[in-house]
Amino acid sequence: DARVTQTPRHKVTEMGQEVTMRCQPILGHNTVFWYRQTMMQGLELLAYFRNRAPLDDSGMPKDRFSAEMPDATLATLKIQPSEPRDSAVYFCASGLVLTGELFFGEGSRLTVL
Amino acid sequence: ELKVEQNPLFLSMQEGKNYTIYCNYSTTSDRLYWYRQDPGKSLESLFVLLSNGAVKQEGRLMASLDTKARLSTLHITAAVHDLSATYFCAVAHLNPYGGSQGNLIFGKGTKLSVKP
Repeated sequence: DARVTQTPRHKVTEMGQEVTMRCQPILGHNTVFWYRQTMMQGLELLAYFRNRAPLDDSGMPKDRFSAEMPDATLATLKIQPSEPRDSAVYFCASGLVLTGELFFGEGSRLTVL
Repeated sequence: ELKVEQNPLFLSMQEGKNYTIYCNYSTTSDRLYWYRQDPGKSLESLFVLLSNGAVKQEGRLMASLDTKARLSTLHITAAVHDLSATYFCAVAHLNPYGGSQGNLIFGKGTKLSVKP
């Protein structure tokens, strides 16, 4: 049963620390998204890759966030340094543009103290 | 800029009743998604609507898309408690050449509560 896998599922860290979240997209999918979900802002698009190339990262605070796809099986989202306002659930999703299918991972719940 | 608006944001229903959730979007798009999210869980794909007039049904849920009106509806028939969740619609950006750019913008979600 193909699924998007995210690690870690939960992370508690202190302000100023580096946080790296990882995502393994479904094999064969050519698009990968990073979303952040908070009660106040809802679901915000942070970054979007197609065929490993970043197409849109306009929603991401560039001074502290970075997103990469070092290969087709791994997407990473890094926050350095982390701040309490980064506390949220971060979702990765992968899909195929042609068919429109898009599936979400279980999310990484980040708490920055 | 693509904006997606859902209404209502909160919906309390009695079991057995019917209701409709609306999703309006501000610019042309070629695809619209409906997702369900249970508390503390991920987003579960319900429907992908790819063309004007598309209608899809799964159990007590039916989704439709009118691209000319930039409107999608999610209709709930004879609601049951298990349908209690938050429902999101999401709309894909088009690139300047009219093809799907793929990145999705989400509405704020409709929190549905079905009471016995």
